[in-house]
Parts: sequence; structure tokens; C-alpha cells
Amino acid sequence: GAVVSQHPSWVICKSGTSVKIECRSLDFQATTMFWYRQFPKQSLMLMATSNEGSKATYEQGVEKDKFLINHASLTLSTLTVTSAHPEDSSFYICSAGRGTSGSTDTQYFGPGTRLTVL
Amino acid sequence: GNSVTQMEGPVTLSEEAFLTINCTYTATGYPSLFWYVQYPGEGLQLLLKATKADDKGSNKGFEATYRKETTSFHLEKGSVQVSDSAVYFCALSRGYSTLTFGKGTMLLVSP
Repeated sequence: GAVVSQHPSWVICKSGTSVKIECRSLDFQATTMFWYRQFPKQSLMLMATSNEGSKATYEQGVEKDKFLINHASLTLSTLTVTSAHPEDSSFYICSAGRGTSGSTDTQYFGPGTRLTVL
Repeated sequence: GNSVTQMEGPVTLSEEAFLTINCTYTATGYPSLFWYVQYPGEGLQLLLKATKADDKGSNKGFEATYRKETTSFHLEKGSVQVSDSAVYFCALSRGYSTLTFGKGTMLLVSP
């Protein structure tokens, strides 16, 4: 149990277009979802935390208008990269937390989405 | 701020060799410490954790001990298998549900 999926697994887009990435908890309800970004040979950097039905909390330095996060249901969160540019190319990973408190040891991670902006 | 430093990889071992992946951290207060593993094409999975000083986390033959005096949480396994080939991430929690990760260490085990 506790499977998290992401779609698409990879995407290539032109500069200036928007890309939406979906994160789904397949067999549990996730009150909290997290979005991370990972550069090659770098750490996972937390971008934002989203709770179902409320606005996402963004980490310092992450542009809210650039990376739109929607957590409309207990099993789905989406990350939209708006007006993508080559510097947005990266590996985006989501995780989902179980329960109302979202404690760290119950974060379940998706397989990631590779975004390449040409 | 909080940070995690891991040894750079790849770590290349023969099957049944002893494994150590070093992890040190910088944090305010008393963080919880974690090791996650990422197998090719899959998401990160929690491997083990420790929530206070001198705790030992263990799972699937892997162990790590929370050493506050050296701010370390080194991952060890006595005899690695080919199936252990993966990327291993050390992480700490700051606050109730936020993780800070190291860069990850790739482990390659050959038969």
C-alpha cells in the first residue's frame, strides 16, 4: 500500500509554454502533499507544501506565480510550471503524507517527472 | 540553517562486501534523522530512521546510529547484495513534517 504516482514521467516542451504535472496517492488519502525539485547530483529541494483545500505554502525563493500548486482533492495535487524556460528544466518529485498531521515518516514519494524545456 | 552532507558516489562494491555511507548534519535543536533509498525508476522509500541521540535505526540488514556528539548518521550493512544497488539519501526533519535531504549516494554492487 501507500503508492504515489506521477504523470507524466517525462515531458519536453518549448520555452514559454506551461506544463502540468500530476501527483496522485493511489490507495490512501493524502491531506498533505510536498513538491520537490532535484538538479543532477544535487539534493532534493522542497519547493512547497500543500494541504487539501487550502493554498500551498512555498519555500523561500520559490516563485508562487511560476509554480502553481493545486491540491483540490485528497488524492490529487498538481504542479503547473507556467511560461517555462530552460532554467526550469529539472526533476520534479512529489510526496504525499498520510493522516491529519503529515508526520515525516509517513511521506510516500512518487517516481518523479523529468521536465526538459527547449 | 539545517543541512545534510553525504559522501559522494558512486560507491562500487562487490557482493558480500561491507558498506558504509557517511552522513553528517547541521541542525538547530534535535532533528529526527532518516535514510531513504531510491531504486531505479522508483520513488524514494523510507529505509530507516532515528528520532533521538543514540537511537539505532535498522531495516533489511541496514543500520544507522544517531550520534549527536559527532552529528553523524552513517549507514552500514555487513554484506551487500546486487539488489541493494540504488541511490541512498540521508535526511533530517526540521519541524513536524519537512525534510532536508543530502545529495544522495549511488551504490553499485557487482556480482
